[in-house]
Amino acid sequence: AQTVTQSQPEMSVQEAETVTLSCTYDTSESDYYLFWYKQPPSRQMILVIRQEAYKQQNATENRFSVNFQKAAKSFSLKISDSQLGDAAMYFCAYKESSGTYKYIFGTGTRLKVLA
Amino acid sequence: DSGVTQTPKHLITATGQRVTLRCSPRSGDLSVYWYQQSLDQGLQFLIQYYNGEERAKGNILERFSAQQFPDLHSELNLSSLELGDSALYFCASSVAAGNEQFFGPGTRLTVL
Repeated sequence: AQTVTQSQPEMSVQEAETVTLSCTYDTSESDYYLFWYKQPPSRQMILVIRQEAYKQQNATENRFSVNFQKAAKSFSLKISDSQLGDAAMYFCAYKESSGTYKYIFGTGTRLKVLA
Repeated sequence: DSGVTQTPKHLITATGQRVTLRCSPRSGDLSVYWYQQSLDQGLQFLIQYYNGEERAKGNILERFSAQQFPDLHSELNLSSLELGDSALYFCASSVAAGNEQFFGPGTRLTVL
């Protein structure tokens, strides 16, 4: 069964600095999708970035980028120029490319942004 | 706003009771997923429906059931509620099973 592990329960970053959140996963599949979701205090799940496993190029969305290492089964999120509004829980998620297509979430990393 | 709506936003009830959570998917989405998020945990997949039919089950208790109606809205029924059922329940929808899921705002259930 697929699993997603986020080993950092909490991280802090100074405003305007860069922070990297870690995520590792386990799967025997070769084709799948990976996501980072942000969950602010409102509890809404907000998609930050997604990566298709068949694409070697790392996904980028403005200040957010990933380091996708398929062989190592690692999918880290880098937030550049951190802003106070980035403070939230961040969840890494894996999605099957067949079958149920359900999402498997990690336990989350709470990011604090210090002014 | 993802386009997925969930009602009610908050629900407080007592142990042993039964509640129904409702989800309306985005217009055109045929697939609905239900997830449970307990305090400070990740989301756990409960069940999936596609165009009215159950497609997959995850860690859903026998006390819980769901269905998707012809108009594609879905309901999650929770019965014989226990304190441990207190959680945030998310619904997500997608055009088809393989497409990106869009999450609703969730229903916060508190069992006293």
